[in-house]
Amino acid sequence: GQNIDQPTEMTATEGAIVQINCTYQTSGFNGLFWYQQHAGEAPTFLSYNVLDGLEEKGRFSSFLSRSKGYSYLLLKELQMKDSASYLCAVRGNQGGKLIFGQGTELSVKP
Amino acid sequence: EADIYQTPRYLVIGTGKKITLECSQTMGHDKMYWYQQDPGMELHLIHYSYGVNSTEKGDLSSESTVSRIRTEHFPLTLESARPSHTSQYLCASSGTSWGEQYFGPGTRLTVT
Repeated sequence: GQNIDQPTEMTATEGAIVQINCTYQTSGFNGLFWYQQHAGEAPTFLSYNVLDGLEEKGRFSSFLSRSKGYSYLLLKELQMKDSASYLCAVRGNQGGKLIFGQGTELSVKP
Repeated sequence: EADIYQTPRYLVIGTGKKITLECSQTMGHDKMYWYQQDPGMELHLIHYSYGVNSTEKGDLSSESTVSRIRTEHFPLTLESARPSHTSQYLCASSGTSWGEQYFGPGTRLTVT
């Protein structure tokens, strides 16, 4: 079967660093995506990893280990507006389809 | 910035009515997708298309149907709405080889 696991919710403090983990078991692998989704809104693309290692984009970084079926999203210098759900999605071997995890609800406190 | 549009944004409709949710993109993307998402839950793929006259059912069984007569347009139709269809419907498109999907703003459907 195909499975993507993320923690359901996390809480962090403004200005801090938070790491959101994602593990996956899928039929084939052709890339891992992270999306941000604010309540009631559509997901917006954050990052993409297809090779092992770290991809950095401003305050956000994403890491991938294909051998471990593991990724994390790192958010630095947290801001209140970062409170949102963070979705991990994997592109398997079935064309362009993405398989989404349930999302991690991040709450940033002052 | 991605240009993908959905109408209506909100819809309240009675049981048994036929409805069509519109989705259009102006990026010339070949691939388009419909997802269903309940509050706090994951996105479930219900239909997708890899080009004109190509449509496939997704991973979640759905009583809806789709069509792809033009590249930019991918409407979803419910022939007879039921309360169980109450959900948010998100349309997405993709045009890159590595598959980043751009999402529309969504249609929040309530069937009474």
